[in-house]
Amino acid sequence: GQQLNQSPQSMFIQEGEDVSMNCTSSSIFNTWLWYKQDPGEGPVLLIALYKAGELTSNGRLTAQFGITRKDSFLNISASIPSDVGIYFCAGTNSGNTPLVFGKGTRLSVIA
Amino acid sequence: NAGVMQNPRHLVRRRGQEARLRCSPMKGHSHVYWYRQLPEEGLKFMVYLQKENIIDESGMPKERFSAEFPKEGPSILRIQQVVRGDSAAYFCASSSPGGVEAFFGQGTRLTVV
Repeated sequence: GQQLNQSPQSMFIQEGEDVSMNCTSSSIFNTWLWYKQDPGEGPVLLIALYKAGELTSNGRLTAQFGITRKDSFLNISASIPSDVGIYFCAGTNSGNTPLVFGKGTRLSVIA
Repeated sequence: NAGVMQNPRHLVRRRGQEARLRCSPMKGHSHVYWYRQLPEEGLKFMVYLQKENIIDESGMPKERFSAEFPKEGPSILRIQQVVRGDSAAYFCASSSPGGVEAFFGQGTRLTVV
C-alpha cells in the first residue's frame, strides 16, 4: 500500500530558528495536506496543496508540493514555543477518499 | 459553527466490555472517516462511511470492530469484547461531498484495564 515517510522523526530547536521538514511517498498523490497535532488534541489542518509545484503560505508556515508529486516540505519561520507539537503530512488522490498519513515529525522548541 | 464533535473524550473499559465511540461530523459534511492512533505513532485509517453506507472498511479489524453512520444521528464506532491492545486514541474526521480536506475531532482516548 501507499506509504508516506516523514523526516526528521523529531527535532529540537531554539526559539526563533527556522524549521524544515519533509515528506516523501512511494507513489504519486494529487493533493498533499499538512496537519499539526497538539498533545491530547486532534490534528488541525494547516495547509493544503492541490497542484504540483505549488508553494503556499499560511502565516509563518510555507509548504510546497513537489514537482514529481511524490514529495512535499513544510517550513516554519521564526519558531515560537506554541509551535511545539507533531506535524503530519497526508496525501490523497481524489475527493472523499481516506487520507494516507506519515508517522509525523515531533517538534520541540527550546525557549 | 461547530467542528467535528467526538464523545466521550476519555473512555475506560474493562477487558471483555463493549466500547461505543460517537462522532458528529461538521455541518454540511456527509462523509466520515475513523482513524486509530497508538502512542508515538501516526494515524491509521480504519473505515470510511457515508450516510447509511460503509464505503471502505479495509483498515478495520475483521472481528469485534464495527461502524455505522445512520440516516439520523452520529457515526458510531463499536468495539466489542475489548482487549488491552485496543487502548488507543480514536479520531473521527469529516469532509464535504467531493472534498479532499478532512477535519478532525478531538478524539476519544480508550483505555482498557
